[in-house]
Amino acid sequence: DGGITQSPKYLFRKEGQNVTLSCEQNLNHDAMYWYRQDPGQGLRLIYYSQIVNDFQKGDIAEGYSVSREKKESFPLTVTSAQKNPTAFYLCASSPLTSGTMTNTGELFFGEGSRLTVL
Amino acid sequence: GDSVTQMEGPVTLSEEACLTINCTYTATGYPSLFWYVQYPGEGLQLLLKATKADDKGSNKGFEATYRKETTSFHLEKGSVQVSDSAVYFCAAGATNKLIFGTGTLLAVQP
Repeated sequence: DGGITQSPKYLFRKEGQNVTLSCEQNLNHDAMYWYRQDPGQGLRLIYYSQIVNDFQKGDIAEGYSVSREKKESFPLTVTSAQKNPTAFYLCASSPLTSGTMTNTGELFFGEGSRLTVL
Repeated sequence: GDSVTQMEGPVTLSEEACLTINCTYTATGYPSLFWYVQYPGEGLQLLLKATKADDKGSNKGFEATYRKETTSFHLEKGSVQVSDSAVYFCAAGATNKLIFGTGTLLAVQP
C-alpha cells in the first residue's frame, strides 16, 4: 500500500545526543515536510523540501537538520543544539501542483515519532 | 502573517449530540482549507477540504463550508458517535506549507 512510514515510533535520548528520525514515502510525491507537535500549540513546520538535494527552513529549524538525497526519503536529525526536543514529530508529503508551492494543497501524514529526552 | 484560530477544547458531548468546532483564518488571497483528524498516538488524516469560496467539504457525516466573507471554515456534524472522539485540526494552505490551528479535543460519551 502507498503511504508514509516513520521510524522509530518511540525514541528515547539522553541530553547531548543527536538522533535521526526516518521518513520514507512511496507515493511518488515531490514535496516532503517535517512538523513538530506540542500540546496546545498545534503543528509547527521545521523543514520542507520540494525537490531532491534541496530543502528550506521552516518556522522552527534551529537545532534540526535534514537531507533529501532521494525522492522517497527525508530524514530529520535532532541535534544537541535543540533545547527542548521532547515532542511528537510528524512527517508529511504532497504532490506539487502546477510546479509551484503556492497555496499548498493536501498533505499526507505518517504515523509520527515520539521523542523523549531523558 | 497567516494564521488559523480554532476554538479551544476539550469539547465533551453525549452520543448523538450536534457538534460545531469554529475555525477562522487570516491569509493572503484565497487559501485551500482543511480539517484533519488525529486519533490517539497516530498521525493526522484528512477529514475534508474546500478549495474555493462557498465550497462545502463533507466526509463521514462531517461538513464545513468555506465562507470568504467571514474567513471561516466551521466543522459541523449533526449526530456524533463515540468513535468520533479525537483531536480535530483546522488548516489553511499558505506558500510552501499548511498552517494549523492548535487543535480541538472532542470527547464523546455514550
